[in-house]
Amino acid sequence: GENVEQHPSTLSVQEGDSAVIKCTYSDSASNYFPWYKQELGKRPQLIIDIRSNVGEKKDQRIAVTLNKTAKHFSLHITETQPEDSAVYFCAAIADKLIFGTGTRLQVFP
Amino acid sequence: DAGVIQSPRHEVTEMGQEVTLRCKPISGHNSLFWYRQTMMRGLELLIYFNNNVPIDDSGMPEDRFSAKMPNASFSTLKIQPSEPRDSAVYFCASSTRQHTGELFFGEGSRLTVL
Repeated sequence: GENVEQHPSTLSVQEGDSAVIKCTYSDSASNYFPWYKQELGKRPQLIIDIRSNVGEKKDQRIAVTLNKTAKHFSLHITETQPEDSAVYFCAAIADKLIFGTGTRLQVFP
Repeated sequence: DAGVIQSPRHEVTEMGQEVTLRCKPISGHNSLFWYRQTMMRGLELLIYFNNNVPIDDSGMPEDRFSAKMPNASFSTLKIQPSEPRDSAVYFCASSTRQHTGELFFGEGSRLTVL
């Protein structure tokens, strides 16, 4: 079955800096890669996703890149703000959606 | 739409007791998922349904866990008997597509087993 690894587990950045979270997956049949953001005590919510026929996707300050050959994908957040502080989960799907272990991002003002 | 509705939001029970968690998916969504979240193991998929039919329950920890979806608007996750290691936040999520659609999560049910 699919296995998703996510790094780093924690990330601290200064407001305005960029943050990068990386994930790898094992099943080459995976074709959909969403990213979810979970604020403290809240539910996970989708922030961006990418499909296997696309190499990069951008939405304002957030971008995701996908390298199918290497089986890894990354989330990039530019010009970070304190409200970006949360836990971010990557996920991959072949026959079912499997989440990475999460990255706790802290943005210091 | 009110979103995915879960109940109870918090449950504290004693070891050995039966626990029933409930979920109402978003109307029109035909896929429903139960996830368990802990600090140690993150978000684990327990079971998912498509059109009320269980598709994959390989994530259910053991026979003490069972899930049903008697109709398109209701699902339950039952633990009997409960154990302290079952303490976690249990999320229900629904989607319009089984595999590649956005998951809409409920607010979760925080279970504490003493």
